[in-house]
Amino acid sequence: QSVLTQPPSVSGAPGQRVTISCTGSSSNIGAGYDVYWYQQLPGSAPKLLISGNNNRPSGIPDRFSASKSGASASLAISGLQAEDEADYHCHSYDSSLSGVVFGGGTKLTVL
Amino acid sequence: EMQLVESGGGLVKSGGSLRLSCTASELRFKVYNVNWLRQAPGKGLEWVSSITGSGTYIYYADSVKGRFTISRDNARNSVYLQMNSLRADDTAVYYCAKGDLGDWFDPWGQGTLVTVSS
Repeated sequence: QSVLTQPPSVSGAPGQRVTISCTGSSSNIGAGYDVYWYQQLPGSAPKLLISGNNNRPSGIPDRFSASKSGASASLAISGLQAEDEADYHCHSYDSSLSGVVFGGGTKLTVL
Repeated sequence: EMQLVESGGGLVKSGGSLRLSCTASELRFKVYNVNWLRQAPGKGLEWVSSITGSGTYIYYADSVKGRFTISRDNARNSVYLQMNSLRADDTAVYYCAKGDLGDWFDPWGQGTLVTVSS
């Protein structure tokens, strides 16, 4: 049972826009801690997608964007491409647990 | 860009021990905090442990506290995870990643598989 809640799966057709939610609580996202996002291609290690202040590391296209409101965050992917098919993970810090927390991951399928 | 390479994974019986290594390609490694994370088959990511650059501060997830020990040898550009009293639910791919607690993790190593048989 992950501390942050993500939908198990989302899907969209090429060119469409999808969003992936990440719901936390008052001890993590709701407490103001940043939320980070990772992309994990099949059989590969996670790769940083969104860092602090919703910045994208070099090489990450601007089709990927993130937002946060209250105790929830979301990742938006616009102009879906076949290469976006992967698992996406959200990550934050929890003051009650004094540790790092993740969502359970969301599998994106490009139809 | 710094690269991290994990090694030491394998098959071990329940109750056994294993030592994982994470070796960095960059000489500035000694100033970086390093974390161990894991991903059980078909599951999400779980943070396991963190160590500051000097090794002064160490943190563990409750699930491994008392069984796992993180350490580092900056002369060898390496961080280690000594895993004792292994259980079936420790079966996972173990990753090391650079980053401070409360910040993002980047980069990640390619991972090393630990399988604990009962």
